Amino acid sequence: DSGVTQTPKHLITATGQRVTLRCSPRSGDLSVYWYQQSLDQGLQFLIQYYNGEERAKGNILERFSAQQFPDLHSELNLSSLELGDSALYFCASSVTQSGNTIYFGEGSWLTVV
Amino acid sequence: AQSVTQPDIHITVSEGASLELRCNYSYGATPYLFWYVQSPGQGLQLLLKYFSGDTLVQGIKGFEAEFKRSQSSFNLRKPSVHWSDAAEYFCAVGAGQAGTALIFGKGTTLSVSS
Repeated sequence: DSGVTQTPKHLITATGQRVTLRCSPRSGDLSVYWYQQSLDQGLQFLIQYYNGEERAKGNILERFSAQQFPDLHSELNLSSLELGDSALYFCASSVTQSGNTIYFGEGSWLTVV
Repeated sequence: AQSVTQPDIHITVSEGASLELRCNYSYGATPYLFWYVQSPGQGLQLLLKYFSGDTLVQGIKGFEAEFKRSQSSFNLRKPSVHWSDAAEYFCAVGAGQAGTALIFGKGTTLSVSS
């Protein structure tokens, strides 16, 4: 158990819909990362937040957005969903002051039908 | 730009045999290097990491990796593979600044034959 908690574990939704994925980082971790894992693209970095502020952006679509709240949990919002958005979405966290070890949650499986 | 190459998509090893998974990275400065393992339907578990110092690092489950700057490599090894090691293995590189995101390779799937 990495200490990173993601909900829901599985989600099935229709095209055009909007979903929210939730992540609670490890206790004490200030940085949260979101990754997308798909068969064709592999593990793609989407976005990073540090202590509530956006820190880095990767290959995140404009239809996707994220935020980190004062209690440090984070949400990834996916809207106007397409079939190609079906993937495993990982949240990860790290204590940035101590180096760059990033711990991953078990992921949220999103299936768009 | 940072990048990671794992040349082997799929490797099959006999149980009890030794294992080496290859990883090459591209990064201008001293990288932070990681190996993660993902079992089917599971999240990513950190096996080991290299930040600095001794270039041979030990990890969990009997794995080790060696950082070779001259070859831009960080290969993962295990002297004797167990059936439970069958999984997908990912090499990742991070920038020198603490807290920056990791860039992952495409992964190597390890199958273990009896």
